[in-house]
This record gives sequence, C-alpha cells and structure tokens, in this order.
Amino acid sequence: EVVLTQSPVTLSLSPGERATLSCRASQSVSSYLAWYQQKPGQAPRLLIFDASKRATGIPPRFSGSGSGTDFTLIISTLEPEDFAVYYCQQRSNWPSTFGQGTRLEIK
Amino acid sequence: EVQLVESGGGLVQPGGSLRLSCVASGFTFSTYWMHWVRQTSGKGLVWVSRINSAGTGTTYADSVKGRFTISRDNAKNTLYLQMNSLRVEDTAVYYCARVLNASSWYDPTLFDLWGQGTLVTVSS
Repeated sequence: EVVLTQSPVTLSLSPGERATLSCRASQSVSSYLAWYQQKPGQAPRLLIFDASKRATGIPPRFSGSGSGTDFTLIISTLEPEDFAVYYCQQRSNWPSTFGQGTRLEIK
Repeated sequence: EVQLVESGGGLVQPGGSLRLSCVASGFTFSTYWMHWVRQTSGKGLVWVSRINSAGTGTTYADSVKGRFTISRDNAKNTLYLQMNSLRVEDTAVYYCARVLNASSWYDPTLFDLWGQGTLVTVSS
C-alpha cells in the first residue's frame, strides 16, 4: 500500500499570502495524484487531479505540480474561504490511498 | 440538483450489522462507478469499496473484505453498503462518492461528488 505523507501538518498563514503544501509518496505514483479540500462539517472537494489538472470550477489560484514521489499544491493568494484541511490521494496503486492532511489555518 | 444523500448510520454494538444507503439525484446514476470512503479522526480518509456502473463488479479494502457488501439498485438510484460483524475500528463517517467521469468500464477513482456523510459508531 502506498503511504502518502503530507507536510506540514499545520500551516499558519494570513489572507493574501502564498501557501505551499507538500505530499510525498512512499513509491512512485506517476502523475496519478489528486488534491482535495475539506471544510468543517463538509465532504471533501476535488481541487486537482493528475497532479496538475484543475477540476471544474476550481479557481486558478490553485495549482498543482510534481510527479513520481513528490507533489506540491500551491495556493497563490489565500482567500478567507481557503482555510481548510487539504488531502492528497493517489490512484496509481491499488488500493487508492489518502494522505493524513494539512490543516491550513489563519495566522 | 446534483447530489448524494446518505442514511442508515447509527450506534451499533460490536458484532452487529448496519445497512447504509446513498440516494443519487440530478444525474444518470447508472452510468457511474460508485465508491464508499470512510473518515476517522485518527486515520483520516480511507477507501472502503467500489462497484461498477452495472453493479456486476465489486472491490473491497482488505480491512472490510468478507464483512461488508456493496450493491446498487440503478432503478432506484441508490447505492448500499451492508456492514456485518462490525468492529470498534469501523467507527467512522461513511461517505458515498461518485467518480469523476461516467463510464461502463473505467474507474478513474477520483471523486467529484460526495454525500454529506453518515456516522457509524460501533461501541458496547
């Protein structure tokens, strides 16, 4: 089973700043890496798939990059609604697995 | 409105059973693979099971294999998860999730539509 390790666990930033979130896989997942956003009491929301493709309706301030074992989600300019927990997910190896999440909080 | 609505969660004793339901609306349910994903505070998001669009093929996580059964009724636009021999470690919020693209043969295992979740608590 592929283990996804996200860092940092918590990221404290202010609106308007740039956020950089990391996801590292225990073995190569090619480009089959997705990012989800989850707000309290809500289900996850698909942001990015295949490492860099934005899902429908996702604003361009969200971007993803990486391949193999190292991936990054960047939020270029934080909006108040972006403060949430972010999860990565790989679908390269069965079963699909998720990272433990990065909590993006307001500083 | 395009949505998934789960029900059936609750408190059950170890060894007991529950059946979760997920009613789909606003899209052609019968053309999508569907999954169950659970979430705990300790282990985060964990994939549980999937079923193909026709309901003829299923897959399970090792942790639930032999105890859980996924099924669907395309005429009722409903997905099910029958959970038997429940354990304390099955305690979680259970989400049904739709895959990103409709297909009869390909499962992208990317989830663009989720239900609101239903809480299952296994405790004596």
